[in-house]
Amino acid sequence: DAGVTQSPTHLIKTRGQHVTLRCSPISGHKSVSWYQQVLGQGPQFIFQYYEKEERGRGNFPDRFSARQFPNYSSELNVNALLLGDSALYLCASSLLSGPNEKLFFGSGTQLSVL
Amino acid sequence: EDKVVQSPLSLVVHEGDTVTLNCSYEVTNFRSLLWYKQEKKAPTFLFMLTSSGIEKKSGRLSSILDKKELFSILNITATQTGDSAVYLCADGSSNTGKLIFGQGTTLQVKP
Repeated sequence: DAGVTQSPTHLIKTRGQHVTLRCSPISGHKSVSWYQQVLGQGPQFIFQYYEKEERGRGNFPDRFSARQFPNYSSELNVNALLLGDSALYLCASSLLSGPNEKLFFGSGTQLSVL
Repeated sequence: EDKVVQSPLSLVVHEGDTVTLNCSYEVTNFRSLLWYKQEKKAPTFLFMLTSSGIEKKSGRLSSILDKKELFSILNITATQTGDSAVYLCADGSSNTGKLIFGQGTTLQVKP
């Protein structure tokens, strides 16, 4: 069975541009979460979606948005890119939404903003 | 605000050594703590510890949870170079299912 897949794997953008990152969860998983990991830090929570509804939002500006599609795949959008948005963006899926859920992570999209 | 702190931030050992990684947490309404191994990009799940399961073991890796003192440890015995990775600890208590991660411990195992 395929794990969590993310695309693209690497991306280079310039300040002010817009970016869309994509994620396909493990088959049967209905929840998708997005995390930002800056070098040397642990992942920081951005969004969680379950059954196409936003269930949680982290402390990120409105430039960050996301959505989940009927097939449970998800997109993360970031507008007006800043240098500080350079990071590894990880997508994770789980069966359900709630406490005590094991999250399974994809290999991430490495975003560089120049 | 809920918080997870890991120590040490980095560690260098030789093959065959035993290592102990620490994770302390300050969480309201604690329910679970998870350990992940991150070798390159994708964190991979190791253990989840809850009120009903405070000790886990898998091969050379084991973990315990001390709910009274609010910490967890991850032990790796007879370390191998393949154990070199970043080890992440996370609180999994949120009703939304979000994980709150610590900074991670970078482990390097030398031959």
